[in-house]
Amino acid sequence: DTGVSQDPRHKITKRGQNVTFRCDPISEHNRLYWYRQTLGQGPEFLTYFQNEAQLEKSRLLSDRFSAERPKGSFSTLEIQRTEQGDSAMYLCASSLVENTEAFFGQGTRLTVV
Amino acid sequence: GIQVEQSPPDLILQEGANSTLRCNFSDSVNNLQWFHQNPWGQLINLFYIPSGTKQNGRLSATTVATERYSLLYISSSQTTDSGVYFCAHDTDKLIFGTGTRLQVFP
Repeated sequence: DTGVSQDPRHKITKRGQNVTFRCDPISEHNRLYWYRQTLGQGPEFLTYFQNEAQLEKSRLLSDRFSAERPKGSFSTLEIQRTEQGDSAMYLCASSLVENTEAFFGQGTRLTVV
Repeated sequence: GIQVEQSPPDLILQEGANSTLRCNFSDSVNNLQWFHQNPWGQLINLFYIPSGTKQNGRLSATTVATERYSLLYISSSQTTDSGVYFCAHDTDKLIFGTGTRLQVFP
């Protein structure tokens, strides 16, 4: 069991560029979650998938954000036309099903300059 | 939605001291987890504890679901315990509290 894996660990991009992050969940986990965390705050929920179906999106997820989990395995989170306010740690988590223990990856730290 | 409040927001201890961190939630929950976020940002699972008491080494946790709170006990604290501690409840996704920042000095 390799745990939840996120790539890249760090990303620096210029404002207006598009970025894509990848998350590989624990292999048998059906649920996959994306969170965003800014300095001094707790992680904030963005969206989650049950297998390949995206079941809920937070109001935080503007139309510049899109997430996919095409085959119910890995997931990608894309941010288009990045803004400085998008600078944050993006965390991915997975769990077997609802209401079971969730495990987090190491996160992708995004800096928009 | 359910609100999660953690106290204290900040805690400074000398090595060897004991501490209690509290998590209050505004409605009944199906699941509660405690995490430690290390300086690199990784969230480390401490306890999955919808109810009852669990212990793991110097750490233990108790959740009283009927009274809507959970406690995390850290005994004989070490400098490596420093970081931010989060509780999070799960309805269909984890909702996090604001965290307790712990600093342990030698």
